[in-house]
Amino acid sequence: DAKTTQPNSMESNEEEPVHLPCNHSTISGTDYIHWYRQLPSQGPEYVIHGLTSNVNNRMASLAIAEDRKSSTLILHRATLRDAAVYYCILRDRGQNFVFGPGTRLSVLP
Amino acid sequence: DTGVSQNPRHKITKRGQNVTFRCDPISEHNRLYWYRQTLGQGPEFLTYFQNEAQLEKSRLLSDRFSAERPKGSFSTLEIQRTEQGDSAMYLCASSLPELSQQISYEQYFGPGTRLTVT
Repeated sequence: DAKTTQPNSMESNEEEPVHLPCNHSTISGTDYIHWYRQLPSQGPEYVIHGLTSNVNNRMASLAIAEDRKSSTLILHRATLRDAAVYYCILRDRGQNFVFGPGTRLSVLP
Repeated sequence: DTGVSQNPRHKITKRGQNVTFRCDPISEHNRLYWYRQTLGQGPEFLTYFQNEAQLEKSRLLSDRFSAERPKGSFSTLEIQRTEQGDSAMYLCASSLPELSQQISYEQYFGPGTRLTVT
């Protein structure tokens, strides 16, 4: 079973920041927090991952709570192309990914 | 293109027929994964290979399913005696092996093969 909880859906306006929350209260010390997204009719694509510290890359930022029981994926300026299902996944090294149903993000023009 | 490719993209078959899907991973990736995804759900892990060795199989992978990766490059997933419940998107992904304690390598997914069993 997925070890994360995410809202089923969220909406954002184009060019505004989006904060996608994820709760993972049972996280272990060696679980990495991964985010993937799946655009319509495509396979999932990697967005970002982290262990303890906040992470930034060209796609997004990942803010991890100090107790690691929650995290937030931040898209700094949403575009129409960011409309997708976003998956938050906990994974220990060597384990397999367990995807939940994710958050469906709609971006309004 | 150096991404993961899957063929065919769509397959319609009649119940009871056998089907085979192919996945070509990114060339330097040793690990190859198969997932199944039904409508409205996230992908479910089926099995994975490290080179040609099949290291783990999910209990979702019934005895009608078989996967191979004979030379450690491309992989095939065969479903025998298909059932309507097998209708789904079958996704393949590849990644580098996790050799370091500090690194968790991301998986790169293909576009999937959509199977419809009538």
